[in-house]
Amino acid sequence: DVKVTQSSRYLVKRTGEKVFLECVQDMDHENMFWYRQDPGLGLRLIYFSYDVKMKEKGDIPEGYSVSREKKERFSLILESASTNQTSMYLCASRSPVTGGPEAFFGQGTRLTVV
Amino acid sequence: SQQGEEDPQALSIQEGENATMNCSYKTSINNLQWYRQNSGRGLVHLILIRSNEREKHSGRLRVTLDTSKKSSSLLITASRAADTASYFCATDTQAGTALIFGKGTTLSVSS
Repeated sequence: DVKVTQSSRYLVKRTGEKVFLECVQDMDHENMFWYRQDPGLGLRLIYFSYDVKMKEKGDIPEGYSVSREKKERFSLILESASTNQTSMYLCASRSPVTGGPEAFFGQGTRLTVV
Repeated sequence: SQQGEEDPQALSIQEGENATMNCSYKTSINNLQWYRQNSGRGLVHLILIRSNEREKHSGRLRVTLDTSKKSSSLLITASRAADTASYFCATDTQAGTALIFGKGTTLSVSS
């Protein structure tokens, strides 16, 4: 059974903290993604990675960075958390090369910044 | 930039009725996908339709694609309470590297 696992379901952090959201996939997928989801705005792409150490900005990268040191792991970093980063964060992976273009999602991390 | 826009934003029906939700997109596509999200969870892939297909079925799901109108519809027949969820359409970016999602349709099926 394919799996994308996010390290936390719920997270509460203080303003100004550096926050790490971790995502691991066991499908050997090349592509991994971070989205945030807010009511009325749907899913918005923050960053994606198409290979180890490779990354590209999505639509809303400001205030975020990412790290992909190993193929199976993609981390989202909030350099200095702010209250407007309170949101649901979704990680996904897919492999258009070896499989279908469908994406597999983690269960989501609901982050609250206070 | 969101490629797809779903319509309606919210839909409430009774069990046994059919539910139809629509998606419009902006640029040419290779395929269009539909995903489902149960409350507070991740998204799950439902069905994919390629640009050279007009209709596709999977169980109680029927998807249509009209590339001339840049639109797609998802029909759920004989809906059940368990179909209560948000539904999203998704297309690839023009570079084909990432999926872009619409804002979703929230479906509520009451028994």
